[in-house]
Amino acid sequence: NAGVMQNPRHLVRRRGQEARLRCSPMKGHSHVYWYRQLPEEGLKFMVYLQKENIIDESGMPKERFSAEFPKEGPSILRIQQVVRGDSAAYFCASSPSTANTEAFFGQGTRLTVV
Amino acid sequence: AQSVTQLGSHVSVSEGALVLLRCNYSSSVPPYLFWYVQYPNQGLQLLLKYTTGATLVKGINGFEAEFKKSETSFHLTKPSAHMSDAAEYFCAVTLVKNQGGKLIFGQGTELSVKP
Repeated sequence: NAGVMQNPRHLVRRRGQEARLRCSPMKGHSHVYWYRQLPEEGLKFMVYLQKENIIDESGMPKERFSAEFPKEGPSILRIQQVVRGDSAAYFCASSPSTANTEAFFGQGTRLTVV
Repeated sequence: AQSVTQLGSHVSVSEGALVLLRCNYSSSVPPYLFWYVQYPNQGLQLLLKYTTGATLVKGINGFEAEFKKSETSFHLTKPSAHMSDAAEYFCAVTLVKNQGGKLIFGQGTELSVKP
């Protein structure tokens, strides 16, 4: 059973470009969470999604950031018009249900904006 | 509002010595508490968790933590450090009980192990 898969592992974008980060949850998991880890900081919750629904986006920046988890395919975190401050590690986690108390994390995508 | 404070951003111990990483939390409801480990350029791996029941929780790799409600603490310990324990450790609390993956993390503690 493969773990949470994120790709790409490393992504370099120039200022103003778009970044698309993908997350395939563990098999049987229908809940996905995205976190951002800035240098020298802990992880900060961004958004919680279930299939085709955004449940909680209280941690998402109001502009340029969006997330989706379609019926088929991976969850996507999209950052439009990236700026240098978006440089960070973005982690995805998945869990099988809301009652489950453990989320399994992917290895992250490290975004560098140049 | 829930929050997590990890005391000490860097902790250094000698191989074979006791490891103690401190975590205090604030929560308006009984918390679920977690410790995760992150190796360089890797994702987070769950070490252990407290939900309900026994307050002394044993995890992987010889780590354990004790939930002390009166002290609002959940310190992580290991009797004897190994070189392979060198990593970043994060304490976390569940923000909402029915959203198991929605966590508030502490700032992290980097553990160094000296030979």
